[in-house]
Amino acid sequence: GNSVTQMEGPVTLSEEAFLTINCTYTATGYPSLFWYVQYPGEGLQLLLKATKADDKGSNKGFEATYRKETTSFHLEKGSVQVSDSAVYFCALKFDMGTGFQKLVFGTGTRLLVSP
Amino acid sequence: DTEVTQTPKHLVMGMTNKKSLKCEQHMGHRAMYWYKQKAKKPPELMFVYSYEKLSINESVPSRFSPECPNSSLLNLHLHALQPEDSALYLCASSQPPRGRSYNEQFFGPGTRLTVL
Repeated sequence: GNSVTQMEGPVTLSEEAFLTINCTYTATGYPSLFWYVQYPGEGLQLLLKATKADDKGSNKGFEATYRKETTSFHLEKGSVQVSDSAVYFCALKFDMGTGFQKLVFGTGTRLLVSP
Repeated sequence: DTEVTQTPKHLVMGMTNKKSLKCEQHMGHRAMYWYKQKAKKPPELMFVYSYEKLSINESVPSRFSPECPNSSLLNLHLHALQPEDSALYLCASSQPPRGRSYNEQFFGPGTRLTVL
C-alpha cells in the first residue's frame, strides 16, 4: 500500500539551529512527495514538493530531496527561526485509478523553536 | 484571491442537532475536498467534488452529507453525529487533476467541531 512514516515529535530546537525531520515512504509506482506546514489554528500550506527521483524541493530556506534508493524525503533547514514553530506533514500523492490522485499524510511532526 | 474560507470557525452541537459547515473559494477551482483531522493526527480525505459532482466518497458514514451547490461553494451537512466525530474539518480546493501533473490543493483554516 501507500504510506508515509515521519519521526515522532516534538522536535525542540533553539533559534538558528539546524533542522532535520525524517520522512520515509512506501508506495507502488512513482509518487510525488510533499511537505505541508500547519501553523496553530490554521489549515495546511504547501511548503515544497518533488515529483521525481533526485528532485530537490525548496522554499523559505527549507529543502528536501526525493531519494528513491532510500525511499526518503527528509526536510532540512540550516537555521530555524521562532516563526518556524508549527506541525510539519510529509505526504505522497498517488493515482487512485479513477483519474483522481489522493494525498496520504504522515502523522506530523511538531517543531518548537525557542529564542 | 488565493484563499479558501470556512465558516463557522468553531461549532458545538448535540447528537440530535442538524448543522452545516460551509466552504468557499473564488480561485476558479473546479475540484473541492473535505478532510477530517483528529487531534494530533494527519488529515484524512472524506469527499472529493469535481465540476460540482461527487467523485470520491471515502466510505464516510451517511450522517455526513456533502453538497456542492455551485463551483465556489461546498457544504457539509451534519446530522446525528457522535462524540467521536469531534475533529477539525478542513476544506481544500484545486484545479481538477490532469494526467500526472499536480494541481496544488489550497486548504482553508478549518472548522473545529465538538459533538457533545
